[in-house]
Amino acid sequence: DADVTQTPRNRITKTGKRIMLECSQTKGHDRMYWYRQDPGLGLRLIYYSFDVKDINKGEISDGYSVSRQAQAKFSLSLESAIPNQTALYFCATRDSTNNEQFFGPGTRLTVL
Amino acid sequence: GENVEQHPSTLSVQEGDSAVIKCTYSDSASNYFPWYKQELGKRPQLIIDIRSNVGEKKDQRIAVTLNKTAKHFSLHITETQPEDSAVYFCAASNSDYKLSFGAGTTVTVRA
Repeated sequence: DADVTQTPRNRITKTGKRIMLECSQTKGHDRMYWYRQDPGLGLRLIYYSFDVKDINKGEISDGYSVSRQAQAKFSLSLESAIPNQTALYFCATRDSTNNEQFFGPGTRLTVL
Repeated sequence: GENVEQHPSTLSVQEGDSAVIKCTYSDSASNYFPWYKQELGKRPQLIIDIRSNVGEKKDQRIAVTLNKTAKHFSLHITETQPEDSAVYFCAASNSDYKLSFGAGTTVTVRA
């Protein structure tokens, strides 16, 4: 089945380290998104991309960067991780024909 | 930008009873309203959605209603079962293809 996958699934790192989270999809969707989930805050949009090399900021992009080098891959980087970036991160793709959005399994990131 | 508010934040119901979750949105241009269910440790999964050209949609035990004038939409779950226990998120989107999510409702179905 076509799916959205994320690596790693869990990561513990230290303050100041550079971290990259990877997202891959076999759904063939052009639109891809990165969200973070915190208890009581729902899902907040970090960055999104509508095509290769297209990058757009979401509501909480500070401290993050992304790269979309291929249709199937969308990576999220934390250049210098800080403790308040501890959260659950989800990648998602969106079907442009009916707007349905599909999430990856999530990456649990802990910054010490 | 769009602002989505969701109530209640927690909901406990007896098995077999109904559960209702309500959301309001701020952007009158929003035209797509999905609902996601997230079980513990899992990814959010789409359970039902509604578009601005209809007022109600049903799928077995779940239904969603939309009031465009008042800018609110609701999820109704009838005959609740233990497997309905999860966190539910509402969301809204306009033509910019970005979903804005509510903060979530934790539903607990008591046996």
